Amino acid sequence: AQSVAQPEDQVNVAEGNPLTVKCTYSVSGNPYLFWYVQYPNRGLQFLLKYITGDNLVKGSYGFEAEFNKSQTSFHLKKPSALVSDSALYFCAVRDRDTGRRALTFGSGTRLQVQP
Amino acid sequence: IAGITQAPTSQILAAGRRMTLRCTQDMRHNAMYWYRQDLGLGLRLIHYSNTAGTTGKGEVPDGYSVSRANTDDFPLTLASAVPSQTSVYFCASSDGGSDTQYFGPGTRLTVL
Repeated sequence: AQSVAQPEDQVNVAEGNPLTVKCTYSVSGNPYLFWYVQYPNRGLQFLLKYITGDNLVKGSYGFEAEFNKSQTSFHLKKPSALVSDSALYFCAVRDRDTGRRALTFGSGTRLQVQP
Repeated sequence: IAGITQAPTSQILAAGRRMTLRCTQDMRHNAMYWYRQDLGLGLRLIHYSNTAGTTGKGEVPDGYSVSRANTDDFPLTLASAVPSQTSVYFCASSDGGSDTQYFGPGTRLTVL
């Protein structure tokens, strides 16, 4: 079985400050890990993914995430938050050692960036 | 390139009625998925299709059916809608490798 936990329902940060959105995962084998962002009344947009190799993954809009195998974490980060980053963020996992192709999503974290 | 389109954008439906949500992709992806999004629960997989002609059940398949007659289309049918099926429904597709999924804009369905 595969699962994802996003322990924070909401994260508040001031514009210009660094932000972190937390994600931990559980899979039987090795993971593919993803971050998606959802703006109001929109579908999910792909931000970045970890497949293999470098543990620090860079994605769209200045976001990055660090894969930590020992802590089974894949936290999303950005050095300087923008008000326009305010949205709902989802972490997702897929076990690459099984035939299952569908992703398992976390419950989402709402990021609120204050001006 | 449109990516993934879904129709309708929103719908209010009486309980007991039959409803088909449409999903079309123009990326020639071989895999397609249906999710429902409910507050506090994230996205839950309803059904999936790894390739045209095959389908499979996800986490919450009861009350829903799908078909995959060709690569581009993956309709989701509610045979007899119930209020607990009130949700936002998202269709997605992916194409091999790490299977990055790309999502449609969603259908907001209200069952009264």
